[in-house]
Amino acid sequence: DGGITQSPKYLFRKEGQNVTLSCEQNLNHDAMYWYRQDPGQGLRLIYYSQIVNDFQKGDIAEGYSVSREKKESFPLTVTSAQKNPTAFYLCASISRTGALSSGANVLTFGAGSRLTVL
Amino acid sequence: EDQVTQSPEALRLQEGESSSLNCSYTVSGLRGLFWYRQDPGKGPEFLFTLYSAGEEKEKERLKATLTKKESFLHITAPKPEDSATYLCAVQGGSGYSTLTFGKGTMLLVSP
Repeated sequence: DGGITQSPKYLFRKEGQNVTLSCEQNLNHDAMYWYRQDPGQGLRLIYYSQIVNDFQKGDIAEGYSVSREKKESFPLTVTSAQKNPTAFYLCASISRTGALSSGANVLTFGAGSRLTVL
Repeated sequence: EDQVTQSPEALRLQEGESSSLNCSYTVSGLRGLFWYRQDPGKGPEFLFTLYSAGEEKEKERLKATLTKKESFLHITAPKPEDSATYLCAVQGGSGYSTLTFGKGTMLLVSP
């Protein structure tokens, strides 16, 4: 079955450490996104990528970095510069072909990764 | 800047007690309004897309409606398995603009 796989599901980090969250999709989607979700907050966009080797900052990119070397993969690194990294992280993707024909995008989400800083 | 406000923040219903969730929005050129369901510790699951005022969509006990300023998610005769957080999002502008999400409504349906 096609979908988005995020790993690990749970991750613990000591202060000062960088950690990388994995996101892999086999939907042949062009665009991929990273969101952060905190209790009582909406989803906030960290980074997104429309095509391979290109990505843009979202609303809360400080302290995060990404890469898009393959269409299927969009890993997120939470660096030590991120002041409050404890959160639930969601990866999502969408087909550009679908967006062009429908006029609006429908995001498909992964199951999420929960990061806790000790 | 696009904005989405959902109300109430939390809603507790008895099984079979129908109600509605509200999503008020401001957006420059609405291209789509989206409803998602999210269970605890899981990713959001897509429910509906609404494109223009007056549009309605249904799925089992859920019905989504859209006006120029807000959307409602009506839940008819809910069951405990409908308990979840319901998220609303809008996309405006042109090109490949991103979605703006509300904070969600946490629904609890008691047997």
